[in-house]
Amino acid sequence: GAGVSQSPSNKVTEKGKDVELRCDPISGHTALYWYRQSLGQGLEFLIYFQGNSAPDKSGLPSDRFSAERTGGSVSTLTIQRTQQEDSAVYLCASSSRDRAKYFGPGTRLTVL
Amino acid sequence: DQQVKQNSPSLSVQEGRISILNCDYTNSMFDYFLWYKKYPAEGPTFLISISSIKDKNEDGRFTVFLNKSAKHLSLHIVPSQPGDSAVYFCAASPISSGSARQLTFGSGTQLTVLP
Repeated sequence: GAGVSQSPSNKVTEKGKDVELRCDPISGHTALYWYRQSLGQGLEFLIYFQGNSAPDKSGLPSDRFSAERTGGSVSTLTIQRTQQEDSAVYLCASSSRDRAKYFGPGTRLTVL
Repeated sequence: DQQVKQNSPSLSVQEGRISILNCDYTNSMFDYFLWYKKYPAEGPTFLISISSIKDKNEDGRFTVFLNKSAKHLSLHIVPSQPGDSAVYFCAASPISSGSARQLTFGSGTQLTVLP
């Protein structure tokens, strides 16, 4: 498709389990971002990939969070030993040069 | 401490009238501002932006106003349409940043346009 896609759209998991969230960016976009939106909050930056450069992980809230971007395209955000406070909508965005980033529909994560 | 604040979580407006969405910021390093619209189950969609060298930017029914001295920006939608009903986020960044990772978002305002 032409836009950013994310899977799954919804994920319910039990506390302590690991989860993987996937993002397919727009083809040709070199920059890829992960944000999350907790209830009643704005978007919180998590991690940023740009081309082959080392990712900017400064927004990751703990070492339970990690992300990879394979082949400069698809990205996977992994949350280990999930906690209830990890419940949020996780949004992926990609862009070429500018700040008008294109967002995916998000993955709603619920940790019971 | 929220650097970008949208103090109104919701706003209802009659169709055809003006919608005014407000956003305040505290970081004086911010000098590039954006508005996004978000429908349920979709990601945010970029609407309009403004840099600090301007105080107004217009695109069709959407106009963004920037008051740097008050650290305040607003989005005007005229005339409002039912399809404009969505959550609107403002975002800010320092223009000197080479990376969009510096975007800081507000918590959003739910706009409802009543037919």
